[in-house]
Amino acid sequence: DQQVKQNSPSLSVQEGRISILNCDYTNSMFDYFLWYKKYPAEGPTFLISISSIKDKNEDGRFTVFLNKSAKHLSLHIVPSQPGDSAVYFCAASEGDNFNKFYFGSGTKLNVKP
Amino acid sequence: EAGVAQSPRYKIIEKRQSVAFWCNPISGHATLYWYQQILGQGPKLLIQFQNNGVVDDSQLPKDRFSAERLKGVDSTLKIQPAKLEDSAVYLCASSSGTASYEQYFGPGTRLTVT
Repeated sequence: DQQVKQNSPSLSVQEGRISILNCDYTNSMFDYFLWYKKYPAEGPTFLISISSIKDKNEDGRFTVFLNKSAKHLSLHIVPSQPGDSAVYFCAASEGDNFNKFYFGSGTKLNVKP
Repeated sequence: EAGVAQSPRYKIIEKRQSVAFWCNPISGHATLYWYQQILGQGPKLLIQFQNNGVVDDSQLPKDRFSAERLKGVDSTLKIQPAKLEDSAVYLCASSSGTASYEQYFGPGTRLTVT
């Protein structure tokens, strides 16, 4: 039973435009969310996080939005750059559960020059 | 700061053989994770250590998988005997285990079982 879902396996965006990656979760006890970025043949690297006490967190070109009532979060990348082309995973955790994270299946972003 | 090290990077074995993976976490990181990532899926937690104690191994197939963390530092994950469905990338990650939720991942070991 997948508790974190990324329903779009791939996304293609033109350089300079906005990329929006979506993630849905089913467990209402999740209260901390992460986005990871993964290049081929490398491990995932941390990108940005958000806790359930916030509905938005921004870091440079990356913004994560959290809609707790809809159990939905999204990652916005503005402007998108070719170097952003990678697989993006969202992950969710119950805060007091020793950092046990559940990952989505990933969305492959392709930013075209 | 050195990252999480894993070896080998690639391994090809036949079904029913055994295999072992090694992980060296970031120095000082108390929490170590082993994940299995099957092609097209996200990482799935197999086992989580806090220092050298097991915090969670609920998704570890204990009839064939085993893991240990020696002296709270390095860790090994073993599969014996391997099945075709064990073909995956095995990722090791570590975190400071305190207020930070950020996990640092190694490059992974790609296992192919034929």
